[in-house]
Parts: sequence; C-alpha cells; structure tokens
Amino acid sequence: QVHLVQSGAEVKKPGASVTISCKASGYSFPAYAIHWVRQAPGQSLEWVGWINADNGNTKYSKKFQGRISVTRDRSASTAYIKLTKLTSEDSAVYYCARSYFDFWSAPTPWGQGTLVTVSS
Amino acid sequence: DIVMTQTPLSLSVTPGQPASISCKSTQSLLHRDGKTYLYWYLQRPGQPPQLLISEVSRRFSGVPDRFTGSGSGTDFTLKISRVEAEDIGVYYCMQSIELPQTFGQGTRVEIK
Repeated sequence: QVHLVQSGAEVKKPGASVTISCKASGYSFPAYAIHWVRQAPGQSLEWVGWINADNGNTKYSKKFQGRISVTRDRSASTAYIKLTKLTSEDSAVYYCARSYFDFWSAPTPWGQGTLVTVSS
Repeated sequence: DIVMTQTPLSLSVTPGQPASISCKSTQSLLHRDGKTYLYWYLQRPGQPPQLLISEVSRRFSGVPDRFTGSGSGTDFTLKISRVEAEDIGVYYCMQSIELPQTFGQGTRVEIK
C-alpha cells in the first residue's frame, strides 16, 4: 500500500527557514513525482512545487521563486521541501502527494500533512 | 493562473437527498490530447484531501457510484445522488492543465 509519511510540526520565527520531509513507501519512489501543496488555516489548497523523483527536475510556483527548494533522496525514498525567509503568511499545513511524471495527473495519495507555524 | 470558482460554498443536506456542486474555470481545461484535466477531491475533517474523480467523470478506485462528475470546457459539476453521513467534509475541484495546479475555494457539505 502506498504511504507518504511526513515529518512533524514545526514552529519557526519570522525570517527563519523550515525543511519538511516526505518519506514514501509501498511503491518504487523514482517511478513517480511528488507535489507539495499547502493549506493555510481555514483556506483552500495552494500548489507550491513539484519534483521528478527520478531525475530531480523541479517546478515551483512563481509565488515562491527564490525562497523554495524541493529535493529528493532516492536512496531514502524521501522528498524534501525547504522554504526560507518565513513570514506569518507561510503558516499552513504542508502536504506532499504522489503523481505520475506528467503535470496533468492528479496527486494521490497525500501525506498526512505537516503544520508549520511562523510566529515571533 | 487559472481561477477555479465553486458554488455554493456550503451545503446542508438531509441524508438520502442529492447534492450538487458547480465548478467553473477561467479557461478551458480541454487539452490538445483530448482529455480534460479537472479533478474532484474530498477533504474530511482533520484529513488530507482524497481523490474522488479524475478527468471530469472517472471515479477513483473505491469511490462509491453515488458520486458522479460531469461537464466540459470550463463548466463542471459533482453530484452526490444520495448523501450519506460519511460524505461530510470540504469538496475541492482542481485543474491540472497547466501549472500552477489550482483549486477551487472548496464547498463545505454538512448533514442536516
């Protein structure tokens, strides 16, 4: 069974950075891609970025350009998202989700989510 | 970016009654490959989103047949023929014809 297990909740101060991990199991990690999507409290879903778990190619939302880095460790079947220069507007639950390599396929399944709280 | 607009934003439904959610996109989701990249997700309270419907009308594995997706171009609908208690949560439409993938605001479904 496919599972994506994310790292635990984080509390950060404004200006800091956060790194979240997403460990995959139950499938061949390099055969798929990983999306990152976030959800601010009470809000809808916002696509953040994507990584091809095979070759490491990435795509990012323009909103986060310059602040975001998505990487993966094939040997650990784990994807990572790092977001720098955090502000209170980055407080959200961050989800990873698996998809096929093309951008058109639906991300599924999703990890359990990681709550990031940015507060002074 | 493509904007996805859902209506209504909330629904209160008696068990056994139907429900319908509309989703409109600011541009056509019909790809040159002939597929339409519109998806529906359900997010139950405290859970991550789960895929219900792919490419407008294809139910994902394990999704009950009371869920039906329809539409084309820029106008789409999710219908639940007979709402059950387990259907409560927030429903999102999502487009993936281009990046960034974008989601509707969500429609909260509750049971009367």
